[in-house]
Amino acid sequence: QKEVEQDPGPLSVPEGAIVSLNCTYSNSAFQYFMWYRQYSRKGPELLMYTYSSGNKEDGRFTAQVDKSSKYISLFIRDSQPSDSATYLCATTTEKLVFGKGTKLTVNP
Amino acid sequence: DAGITQSPRHKVTETGTPVTLRCHQTENHRYMYWYRQDPGHGLRLIHYSYGVKDTDKGEVSDGYSVSRSKTEDFLLTLESATSSQTSVYFCAISTGVITYGYTFGSGTRLTVV
Repeated sequence: QKEVEQDPGPLSVPEGAIVSLNCTYSNSAFQYFMWYRQYSRKGPELLMYTYSSGNKEDGRFTAQVDKSSKYISLFIRDSQPSDSATYLCATTTEKLVFGKGTKLTVNP
Repeated sequence: DAGITQSPRHKVTETGTPVTLRCHQTENHRYMYWYRQDPGHGLRLIHYSYGVKDTDKGEVSDGYSVSRSKTEDFLLTLESATSSQTSVYFCAISTGVITYGYTFGSGTRLTVV
């Protein structure tokens, strides 16, 4: 079993929709959880991180971690065409371990 | 991507030839990483470095070697390229502070024919 599992999608939504992106992980020792955004033909960039369980909000983005179920979520409110990208979850003890990424398209 | 440059951006090479990809950083970060990204596999760690001349293997290191003789440069070498090494290669740098994450380069698209 991979350490981080992520549904690759693709996911296509209309502009303004609420988007939910999800990952599960296997190692209960993971404490830091991150979301990276990757535009086409670019490198991933850090979007948000959370520590342990709970929520973290940054503008239209909310990251959520449920350690009891080993579940990581990223919510995007009022999604925009500029949010179209691949979103990768990641977690770490020493080195980052990435999910495979979910490709999101937001249609105008 | 400010502070980290990968070269070349694109390369086509023949099976059996050696290939070297370069990652250059201007951030003076201690840690440097090489990943490959493939459809269905995501990002997979090839090798990483935690200092000059200090390197270690990642999960997909077979067929690859690395060198770091200066803080700013991390080289990835495919000793004898194979078609299975056709991929997009990303370099990343890190201070080692977990919450800062990694900063990735723009990638090198390598095709082995």
